[in-house]
Amino acid sequence: DGGITQSPKYLFRKEGQNVTLSCEQNLNHDAMYWYRQDPGQGLRLIYYSQIVNDFQKGDIAEGYSVSREKKESFPLTVTSAQKNPTAFYLCASSTQGRGVQPQHFGDGTRLSIL
Amino acid sequence: KNQVEQSPQSLIILEGKNCTLQCNYTVSPFSNLRWYKQDTGRGPVSLTIMTFSENTKSNGRYTATLDADTKQSSLHITASQLSDSASYICVVSAVVLQGAQKLVFGQGTRLTINP
Repeated sequence: DGGITQSPKYLFRKEGQNVTLSCEQNLNHDAMYWYRQDPGQGLRLIYYSQIVNDFQKGDIAEGYSVSREKKESFPLTVTSAQKNPTAFYLCASSTQGRGVQPQHFGDGTRLSIL
Repeated sequence: KNQVEQSPQSLIILEGKNCTLQCNYTVSPFSNLRWYKQDTGRGPVSLTIMTFSENTKSNGRYTATLDADTKQSSLHITASQLSDSASYICVVSAVVLQGAQKLVFGQGTRLTINP
């Protein structure tokens, strides 16, 4: 079955530590996205990529970094510069064709501070 | 400022009853409006997508409406089931430069179905 796989499901970060969240898709989608979800708030865009080897900052990119070396993979690194990293992180993908393209989401990674 | 406001924040109904969730938006220029269902601890799943010219769209027991003049949408759930317990998220897409789309997410309505 095609879909988006995020791992791990739960992740704990120590002070001063960088952690990387994995996102893999086998939908052959060109575009991939990272969102952060906090209680009582709408999803906020961290980074997005429309093509391999290219990515753009979203609304809350500070303290995060990404790479897009392969079409299938879009890992997110939460750096020590992100002072409030506790949240639910969602990865999504979509096609870039004409018309309205729905975004398909993974099942998220919940990041907590130790 | 592009915003999406959903109401109510939370809702509890009995199994078998109908309910309607509301979404008001100020996103411009409007491209399309989406409703997603998000189970606890899972990613959102698309229910419907409506463009400017569509004013109603159904997906099983879910019916979404769109009034582009008043910038309002609703999601009606008929004959609710326990599995409908979830958060429902309204998402409005704005057209930005070079045809790209920017999604603006509402904060969601938490729906609980009691037996």
